[in-house]
Amino acid sequence: DAGITQSPRHKVTETGTPVTLRCHQTENHRYMYWYRQDPGHGLRLIHYSYGVKDTDKGEVSDGYSVSRSKTEDFLLTLESATSSQTSVYFCAIRASGTDGELFFGEGSRLTVL
Amino acid sequence: QKEVEQNSGPLSVPEGAIASLNCTYSDRGSQSFFWYRQYSGKSPELIMFIYSNGDKEDGRFTAQLNKASQYVSLLIRDSQPSDSATYLCAVSGAGSYQLTFGKGTKLSVIP
Repeated sequence: DAGITQSPRHKVTETGTPVTLRCHQTENHRYMYWYRQDPGHGLRLIHYSYGVKDTDKGEVSDGYSVSRSKTEDFLLTLESATSSQTSVYFCAIRASGTDGELFFGEGSRLTVL
Repeated sequence: QKEVEQNSGPLSVPEGAIASLNCTYSDRGSQSFFWYRQYSGKSPELIMFIYSNGDKEDGRFTAQLNKASQYVSLLIRDSQPSDSATYLCAVSGAGSYQLTFGKGTKLSVIP
């Protein structure tokens, strides 16, 4: 158990509304990631963080922003949700002292109507 | 852009057989290679990782890496119905803290 909690686990919202997904970890890991997973596309990196207030973009960052004000929390925000952002979102951590492998949270299923 | 390619499947094997899952990658500088298993509706879980050319065995699983051919594979011996899942190949480059994933191969083990 990597001690990762995602919330909410399921959310239905309407186009144009803001949405924030939260990833919480209990083990003080430095690196945290947000991926989205869609049929036919696999897992794609949205944003990642390498420390408090240190974040960078992944390959599909348009329409998303992130914040990390505390080591344990990494927030993903959709400022104005679109139907193309309907997806399953996974948070992951890279455990300190490991060989680079990522450990995933249970996922957040977002539906934008 | 770094690419990781996998056959989408489904790959069907009878119970007790060897399942062979393959993955190719485009970035010759890639250094770390990972296999994840993902059951339907669940999150990916790490099975194995490999860094050096050759084979690495862990129980019924063997990862094989050939950097010259930019090819990594996962063999599952004595396949069980509980092995039925989607298998994701992931790759990271030297000094990179990101993993690039393939789209996954769906494996079905038939009793």
